[in-house]
Amino acid sequence: NAGVTQTPKFQVLKTGQSMTLQCAQDMNHEYMSWYRQDPGMGLRLIHYSVGAGITDQGEVPNGYNVSRSTTEDFPLRLLSAAPSQTSVYFCASSGYNEQYFGPGTRLTVT
Amino acid sequence: TQLLEQSPQFLSIQEGENLTVYCNSSSVFSSLQWYRQEPGEGPVLLVTVVTGGEVKKLKRLTFQFGDARKDSSLHITAAQPGDTGLYLCAGASNTDKLIFGTGTRLQVFP
Repeated sequence: NAGVTQTPKFQVLKTGQSMTLQCAQDMNHEYMSWYRQDPGMGLRLIHYSVGAGITDQGEVPNGYNVSRSTTEDFPLRLLSAAPSQTSVYFCASSGYNEQYFGPGTRLTVT
Repeated sequence: TQLLEQSPQFLSIQEGENLTVYCNSSSVFSSLQWYRQEPGEGPVLLVTVVTGGEVKKLKRLTFQFGDARKDSSLHITAAQPGDTGLYLCAGASNTDKLIFGTGTRLQVFP
């Protein structure tokens, strides 16, 4: 039982490049979400999904896309990276009243 | 927009001291969670409180949910260096989305 896994751990992009952050969970949770964490701002919700085929926007969705084709996987896509997207990204998977976070992806956009 | 304010933002104490971290909002939450996050890792859930006035204890940590379900506190008795980390509160609204506080960074010196 691996919980929530994220890849890659670190990534450096140039402005304008695209990439996908991978997230997978093996707990059969319906609810998954993506957050970004910036100094002094806590965790902010980017997108979330309440089940396969269903996604919705969070607090800061601009510049990011998500899809949920299976219960296990919830990738986050950056369409055209910008320096403002430099952050640490966390994927989370939730059962009733319990949320489990992945180890994070530290992304730098130059 | 629901906001959760944590105080203090930073706390440096000696081993053996007691401390309290506060999490306040003008909004009512259906439940409130506390997380601890260590450098380079994702947040780890410590406790969920659901009922107004509820008190939960986890070894030397005592969590309280305010009667009106708008605020919470975390009290640590006889802090140890292993308690060092970033403490985050997060409130769940009736949409089940979590709103995170800005965090309290605790450093406990031996």
